[in-house]
Order: sequence, then C-alpha cells, then structure tokens
Amino acid sequence: AQTVTQSQPEMSVQEAETVTLSCTYDTSENNYYLFWYKQPPSRQMILVIRQEAYKQQNATENRFSVNFQKAAKSFSLKISDSQLGDTAMYFCAFMSLTTGANSKLTFGKGITLSVRP
Amino acid sequence: EPEVTQTPSHQVTQMGQEVILRCVPISNHLYFYWYRQILGQKVEFLVSFYNNEISEKSEIFDDQFSVERPDGSNFTLKIRSTKLEDSAMYFCASSGLAKEQFFGPGTRLTVL
Repeated sequence: AQTVTQSQPEMSVQEAETVTLSCTYDTSENNYYLFWYKQPPSRQMILVIRQEAYKQQNATENRFSVNFQKAAKSFSLKISDSQLGDTAMYFCAFMSLTTGANSKLTFGKGITLSVRP
Repeated sequence: EPEVTQTPSHQVTQMGQEVILRCVPISNHLYFYWYRQILGQKVEFLVSFYNNEISEKSEIFDDQFSVERPDGSNFTLKIRSTKLEDSAMYFCASSGLAKEQFFGPGTRLTVL
C-alpha cells in the first residue's frame, strides 16, 4: 500500500515571498502520478499541479512548481510570490497507474499555509 | 468551465436515518469517486465507480454504504443507517482519460 507523508502541520510566509511545502511518499510502483491540492476555508478541493512519475522535468503552473525527486520519493511544492489568496490547507496526493485508469487518490494529512500581509 | 456539483451543501440527520448525497460529475467524464474528510483530518477514499459498477472500495465503505448512477448524469452515495462517526465532509470527484480528478464543493453531513 502507498503512504503519503506531510510532516509539517503548518507554515507561515510573508506576502510576496517564496515558500516550499514538503511531501514524501512510499511506493514500490514505478508508474504513478503525484498531485498537490489546495483546500481554502470554503473546503473546496482545488487541483494545483500534477506530476507524472515518468517525466524527469518538474511540473510548473504559473507561480506553482514542484521539485520531484523520484529516487528519494520526495515531491515538494514551491509557491513563488505568495498571495493572500494562497492561504489554505495543501494536500499532497498519490495515484497509482498500475491498477487502472480509475485509481484512487491517497492523500497526506495536509499542511496549513498562512500568508501574512 | 465545467465543474462537479453536489447537493445538498449541508445535511443534518438523526442517527439511524438514511441519507442520500447527490453529485453531478463533469459530463464527459467516465470515472467517479467518493471521498470523505472528517473535520481536521485527511481526505479518505471511499469508492470508485466505472462502467456502472464499483471498481474499488475502501474498508470504510461497508454494507451501510452504496453508490448508484441512476440516470447517466447523477452519481449518488447512500448511507442506510447513519452513525455519529459518519459526520464528515463528503466529496464527489470525477475524471476523464487524463486521470486528473476534479472535486465537487462537498456535502457537510452532520449526524445528531
């Protein structure tokens, strides 16, 4: 079974600065996706970014980028130029591709990010 | 932009009552999921559904739970006899061939 670990329960960053959220995972599989989801106070789950394990290049989406280290099973999220609207809980999630296209997501416990004005 | 919708946004029920949570997935998606999140905890997988049948379910998804896609657009989660510990946020998600799961806004279930 896969596990996803987010060991930092909360972080704080000054507006306009950069912050990195950590995530590690454990799997014996070679074919999988990794995701970061954002959950603001409204509790809606919003997809932030996706990384395919077979790709060496780190995914980027505007101010959001990842540092994917497959050998170390590490998948951190970097948020550049932090904005007040980035304040939310962030979840790292794993999806196996071995069991088929409708694989479940396995989530970490999440990290609460606060952006200070 | 297409989105997953869920109704109701908040459901309050008495212990032992049946509840049905409704979801309308994105129209061209083929894979459907239910997750739950107990307050302050992580999001947990309940069940996945494809081609009108359950493809995977977790240990949480016991005989009290069932899912259905009654009419080709709605996707429902039924809890037959609710317990206090069923109080949680329930999220529906759907995905297409790209495998990215898009979540609905959730239904907050409160069991009294």
